[in-house]
Amino acid sequence: AQSVTQLDSQVPVFEEAPVELRCNYSSSVSVYLFWYVQYPNQGLQLLLKYLSGSTLVKGINGFEAEFNKSQTSFHLRKPSVHISDTAEYFCAVRTAGFQKLVFGTGTRLLVSP
Amino acid sequence: GAVVSQHPSRVICKSGTSVKIECRSLDFQATTMFWYRQFPKQSLMLMATSNEGSKATYEQGVEKDKFLINHASLTLSTLTVTSAHPEDSSFYICSAPTTSGGTGELFFGEGSRLTVL
Repeated sequence: AQSVTQLDSQVPVFEEAPVELRCNYSSSVSVYLFWYVQYPNQGLQLLLKYLSGSTLVKGINGFEAEFNKSQTSFHLRKPSVHISDTAEYFCAVRTAGFQKLVFGTGTRLLVSP
Repeated sequence: GAVVSQHPSRVICKSGTSVKIECRSLDFQATTMFWYRQFPKQSLMLMATSNEGSKATYEQGVEKDKFLINHASLTLSTLTVTSAHPEDSSFYICSAPTTSGGTGELFFGEGSRLTVL
C-alpha cells in the first residue's frame, strides 16, 4: 500500500519570497506522483505530475517539483510566490495500472503582503 | 482539457431527507469515476469507485446503504446520500480519468457542499 506524508500543515510566507512544500511517500513499487491545488470551496486542479523521465518537473503557475527516489520525496517549490497562491496544496501518489489516488493531508500555503 | 462537472455545488437539506449529487464528464467518456469526501481542513478520503454498468466498489468503512452510487452511463455518475443526518455534512468531490490513458491524470469536479440541518 502507498502512503503520503505532508509534514507541514501550514506554511506562512511573504509575497515574492520562495517557498517549498514538502512531500514524502512510501511504496514498495514504482509510483506516479502528483501535486494538486485547491482553492476554497472548489475542486482540485493539477499543478504537475511525475510519471517517468526527468526528475525535475515543471507545472503551471510557476511551480516545480523534484522527484528524489532515494529520499522518497517529491517537494514542491516556487521561487517567488504571489498572494493568489494562497490555497491548500495536496500531494498524491498512485501506482502504475491503478487509478486510485492516495492523498496527503494537505499543506495550507498562506501568502501575506 | 477534460472537464468534470458536479451539480449541485451547494445543497442544504433537512435531517432524514435524501440528496442526490451528479457528476458528469463533459467531453470524454468515463467508465470509472471516483467519489471523495473531504472534511473541513482535512484531506480527501476515497469513498467509492463508480463503475459504469456494474456495482460500485466501496472503501472499507463506507456505508453502502447510506451512500448509494449509480453509474448509469459513460458520462454520468450519481451519489445519493440517503436519510441524511448532520454528520453527513461535508464536501463531496468526484473525479474521473480520461480514456486517453497512460497520463495518470484524474480530473476533478468542482465539489458539492452538503449541509444537513
